[in-house]
Amino acid sequence: GAGVSQSPRYKVAKRGQDVALRCDPISGHVSLFWYQQALGQGPEFLTYFQNEAQLDKSGLPSDRFFAERPEGSVSTLKIQRTQQEDSAVYLCASSLQTLSSYNSPLHFGNGTRLTVT
Amino acid sequence: AQTVTQSQPEMSVQEAETVTLSCTYDTSESNYYLFWYKQPPSRQMILVIRQEAYKQQNATENRFSVNFQKAAKSFSLKISDSQLGDTAMYFCALGAQKLVFGQGTRLTINP
Repeated sequence: GAGVSQSPRYKVAKRGQDVALRCDPISGHVSLFWYQQALGQGPEFLTYFQNEAQLDKSGLPSDRFFAERPEGSVSTLKIQRTQQEDSAVYLCASSLQTLSSYNSPLHFGNGTRLTVT
Repeated sequence: AQTVTQSQPEMSVQEAETVTLSCTYDTSESNYYLFWYKQPPSRQMILVIRQEAYKQQNATENRFSVNFQKAAKSFSLKISDSQLGDTAMYFCALGAQKLVFGQGTRLTINP
């Protein structure tokens, strides 16, 4: 595809509901990242995949957050029992090379804006 | 821990003027990259310019240039001949791909 695609673009959930956010990275990209961007703030790292392996999940704020990339392409970020503080834009980014490569830029999607009411 | 600080929450200039956005950072890494990203209302983060820490020469991309002061851990962005389309949030970021972002500066270019 032409770029990183995220869906849905907007999601409204009632507190306590589960949500699933999808990311389609650029075809062939090895690395995939999820970032959380609260209103008026910069993005914060959540988790990193190299192909299907989740190598870093140090940024996930609680065990209600779960991410997967089972076939090394599409990724899903799942949030269980959503709470108001989960309201944010969730950005996905992909890169052609691995995390250790300094010469491979990140390509970001347009994000999913999650609002928990 | 790595940190990035942008001390200007908002800036506003007239079209065609030059504007400079400030960024300071802290890291114990010896090799790293610094970035400026633009985020328009579409929310997509667009790479504006990047600087490799081991390079002395300041990066330049058309109207965009940086002033990289490694000892002072400062990385400012200069936009020359500003255009209406430059209106956006601008984020300074540190790292390679696992990035640490600043809080952002909202830049408005007025006609």
